[in-house]
Amino acid sequence: AQSVTQLDSHVSVSEGTPVLLRCNYSSSYSPSLFWYVQHPNKGLQLLLKYTSAATLVKGINGFEAEFKKSETSFHLTKPSAHMSDAAEYFCVVSEGTGGFKTIFGAGTRLFVKA
Amino acid sequence: EAQVTQNPRYLITVTGKKLTVTCSQNMNHEYMSWYRQDPGLGLRQIYYSMNVEVTDKGDVPEGYKVSRKEKRNFPLILESPSPNQTSLYFCASSPYRVREQYFGPGTRLTVT
Repeated sequence: AQSVTQLDSHVSVSEGTPVLLRCNYSSSYSPSLFWYVQHPNKGLQLLLKYTSAATLVKGINGFEAEFKKSETSFHLTKPSAHMSDAAEYFCVVSEGTGGFKTIFGAGTRLFVKA
Repeated sequence: EAQVTQNPRYLITVTGKKLTVTCSQNMNHEYMSWYRQDPGLGLRQIYYSMNVEVTDKGDVPEGYKVSRKEKRNFPLILESPSPNQTSLYFCASSPYRVREQYFGPGTRLTVT
């Protein structure tokens, strides 16, 4: 069975400092992994995805994530936070041989201080 | 414009009154799915569909029905809504092999 754990419900950083949002997953198959972002009162937007190609994945707005199979982790990072990064971030795993179920983590709310 | 649309965007109803939330996509995607979002729980999958007439349960299907008679439409049906179905609902679609999902704007449902 698949599951996703986002290790922090809230993360607070200062503008210009690095961002680290942590995600661990479990999966019976080779999963596809994603990070989505949701700004307040908005829909969900894909940040980046891992689908068994390169383990270091680059996304939009300077975000990247590294797939580490041995640690079952897919942490999201950004070198320098911007005020506009304040939002909720979801780590997502998708797997399945015929159809595919999708499991979302509970989310991490990122606060960015001026 | 490529998009997923949902209607209505906001709905307040009473316990037991059947309702349907529509979802439509114009990208010819095979895969469509419904989620509900509740504070502290992230999004939970209700049902998904791999193609026309092919649907399967997600993690929280109780109290919901779906149908996929056309490729572009995937309505969510609550035959007898209850207050615990008050939530924010998202529809999504994806090309089958890609698995990257495109989300609709959400439908906020309140059941009193």
